Amino acid sequence: SAVISQKPSRDICQRGTSLTIQCQVDSQVTMMFWYRQQPGQSLTLIATANQGSEATYESGFVIDKFPISRPNLTFSTLTVSNMSPEDSSIYLCSVVGGTGQETQYFGPGTRLLVL
Amino acid sequence: RKEVEQDPGPFNVPEGATVAFNCTYSNSASQSFFWYRQDCRKEPKLLMSVYSSGNEDGRFTAQLNRASQYISLLIRDSKLSDSATYLCVVNIYGQNFVFGPGTRLSVLP
Repeated sequence: SAVISQKPSRDICQRGTSLTIQCQVDSQVTMMFWYRQQPGQSLTLIATANQGSEATYESGFVIDKFPISRPNLTFSTLTVSNMSPEDSSIYLCSVVGGTGQETQYFGPGTRLLVL
Repeated sequence: RKEVEQDPGPFNVPEGATVAFNCTYSNSASQSFFWYRQDCRKEPKLLMSVYSSGNEDGRFTAQLNRASQYISLLIRDSKLSDSATYLCVVNIYGQNFVFGPGTRLSVLP
């Protein structure tokens, strides 16, 4: 299984500011994803972080708001830009691994509160 | 219609009870199916994959019915430590994982 770490684990931010979340994996992985989980809700996929090219965003998420970097196969960042209270959520990084490349492993998440 | 639907619960059951969760999915092209478990304030973790022939892992049994586009999870002899949210996950178009809203389970002493 993959071991994933995220930084910061939590933060409280003022509206209008930006926060960059880092995701580090202990092995090289092809597929890397960023999810959001709002209080009491399930996970919503924000984007797929592609190594060496632009991220692929899901409907409702745009690059200007959630720029993503993927400089190599073990690391990615997600920036939440120009934050508002509606961005308060848990942000989770995940990778696909396992024998059949079908198992998703998640980082511990970053708890964000925007005031 | 949502892609993956689950009864949100909560299911409150006594220790030792048998409890079953259901999940329906809308896309017939779905290829792989999973149950994940998420403890409060923790990340989701894979509980088990769901195979066409059904599969069992200890007290947990998963079933898939492709014709009805339906997945189930059965937990026998519930333990206090089984209290969590159980997420049904469907893999569509190869690598796109879609999560259900989750079913909350509370096992009571």
